[in-house]
Amino acid sequence: SQQGEEDPQALSIQEGENATMNCSYKTSINNLQWYRQNSGRGLVHLILIRSNEREKHSGRLRVTLDTSKKSSSLLITASRAADTASYFCATDGGTGGGADGLTFGKGTHLIIQP
Amino acid sequence: ETGVTQSPTHLIKTRGQQVTLRCSSQSGHNTVSWYQQALGQGPQFIFQYYREEENGRGNFPPRFSGLQFPNYSSELNVNALELDDSALYLCASKTASTDTQYFGPGTRLTVL
Repeated sequence: SQQGEEDPQALSIQEGENATMNCSYKTSINNLQWYRQNSGRGLVHLILIRSNEREKHSGRLRVTLDTSKKSSSLLITASRAADTASYFCATDGGTGGGADGLTFGKGTHLIIQP
Repeated sequence: ETGVTQSPTHLIKTRGQQVTLRCSSQSGHNTVSWYQQALGQGPQFIFQYYREEENGRGNFPPRFSGLQFPNYSSELNVNALELDDSALYLCASKTASTDTQYFGPGTRLTVL
């Protein structure tokens, strides 16, 4: 079953604009990760934020986490055509080690219009 | 690109057959997980192997089984294939002490 729910399901913006995607989850987590997937191929890890962190940056990416609301957001600034992909949040609810696996949402499909 | 490789890239089988998918972990990674991703869905966790033992499993029936070898490469075996098994199968590797998983490009399985 899917724990996370990404919102929106699809997003189309102009190149250069900022893209914001949201993720909600249901149970307590150890960490939350964001992945990108191009055209149904492998997942590329973008960023990991731990349950005791509130915000994290990596290049043009900014992730926030609100554990009280069980939600996270991914902001991509100054979008590029190459950012066109599906974006997934994944939660790790275990005590570490990943033996419970990651629980993914259904993803947000982002299209960057040139 | 991660150092995780998977074979084959594509596979077509008929209902009732058995299939074996292979994964080579990134160098230095001793933990491997397998995920099933149906079209339009997020990946779902099948199981994880650490030091050749299954140490975690998702909600998948026993006909989904796996192996991990001493070089940390891994196999996913699916018996008695059903039409709903058609999906992209992803493997991911990591070290036991880290949380970030590195995914391979996947094997697309079609069951007719």
